[in-house]
Amino acid sequence: EPEVTQTPSHQVTQMGQEVILRCVPISNHLYFYWYRQILGQKVEFLVSFYNNEISEKSEIFDDQFSVERPDGSNFTLKIRSTKLEDSAMYFCASSLSGNEQFFGPGTRLTVL
Amino acid sequence: RKEVEQDPGPFNVPEGATVAFNCTYSNSASQSFFWYRQDCRKEPKLLMSVYSSGNEDGRFTAQLNRASQYISLLIRDSKLSDSATYLCAAQGRNFNKFYFGSGTKLNVKP
Repeated sequence: EPEVTQTPSHQVTQMGQEVILRCVPISNHLYFYWYRQILGQKVEFLVSFYNNEISEKSEIFDDQFSVERPDGSNFTLKIRSTKLEDSAMYFCASSLSGNEQFFGPGTRLTVL
Repeated sequence: RKEVEQDPGPFNVPEGATVAFNCTYSNSASQSFFWYRQDCRKEPKLLMSVYSSGNEDGRFTAQLNRASQYISLLIRDSKLSDSATYLCAAQGRNFNKFYFGSGTKLNVKP
């Protein structure tokens, strides 16, 4: 069964550093998303991406964040200058139709 | 008001019991709703979609009540393996944005 994959599974970084989280969505899916989940809290929407552009973003997704689909298979989330409060699990999801979303296993980001 | 609200639980039930969770949503324009299960420190896994009045899949039944703006999930004949956190999700005013509830924790005991 096709699945969303994410790398790395765990990323540790120093405050102020840039990180890039990588995702490979399910191959025929057209809609892509990033979510984050701070430990013990709810899953929060960050951004949706369709047709090579951002379709919607949340208040969390400020200028420090960016997304790219550089090569038709990868979907990346970049955080330019990490803060302590960026520590969370980051989930990528993809969808064929923009409805049912399938999540990857997540990247645990720890900012020291 | 939060977009999606759930009772956090936990719901502690014996094996074989029937258990129901509710989830309320604030955007009356939402068309699509979803139930996910999330195991500890894992990703949400899609359980069911709810587009119209309801959906059934084996022991799981989801209902949508548009008038009262809530969806429910009923689990019959609970198994130990059903122990997880159940997340409700709804599309927001912009259909490219999704909101998740905080989840309802279910513990099924032998």
